[in-house]
Amino acid sequence: AQTVTQSQPEMSVQEAETVTLSCTYDTSESDYYLFWYKQPPSRQMILVIRQEAYKQQNATENRFSVNFQKAAKSFSLKISDSQLGDAAMYFCALMGRETSGSRLTFGEGTQLTVNP
Amino acid sequence: DTAVSQTPKYLVTQMGNDKSIKCEQNLGHDTMYWYKQDSKKFLKIMFSYNNKELIINETVPNRFSPKSPDKAHLNLHINSLELGDSAVYFCASSPKGLAGLRTQFFGPGTRLTVL
Repeated sequence: AQTVTQSQPEMSVQEAETVTLSCTYDTSESDYYLFWYKQPPSRQMILVIRQEAYKQQNATENRFSVNFQKAAKSFSLKISDSQLGDAAMYFCALMGRETSGSRLTFGEGTQLTVNP
Repeated sequence: DTAVSQTPKYLVTQMGNDKSIKCEQNLGHDTMYWYKQDSKKFLKIMFSYNNKELIINETVPNRFSPKSPDKAHLNLHINSLELGDSAVYFCASSPKGLAGLRTQFFGPGTRLTVL
């Protein structure tokens, strides 16, 4: 079984500031992938960043970076230089490599507000 | 061109009706999925098909029946609709092999409202 927990239902940040969204997970698999998805009001699911569990180096995509702590089963998302367009619901997700069908298991989501 | 498309985008219907949501992907992917997002925004897998074969069938009422006529299409048929079926339904697809483990492409979602 896989579980993903996001303990922050809501977060807010000032434009141009930095914010970190938390995520913890649990899985019995030794090899897995972690994701952050963004869902703006348009409801489209947009992949923000991905981390392979076997890689020690934290993934980075422009202003988005992760802090992957494998032993602690923690996978936080840092957004630097926040922009108004970053306002959205953010979902942390897990996919086990051995899991039949490659299902994504999602956290409850964190609603991010960016204040001008 | 839209990679993963769903029709309709909005669906409003009465309790007890039968309805279908269609999904098509033009990415050449082998695996397709249906996810349900409830009123609290929680997303959960419902079904997964790999090359027309059912792979995942979560604990979903048997009023929900997926159908995959070919690997580019995965439709969701719902019988005897209930109020609790109101949600946003997302279709997704992924390529086979390791590439499929690295990402899933989502459709725009279908908002189903049961009155």
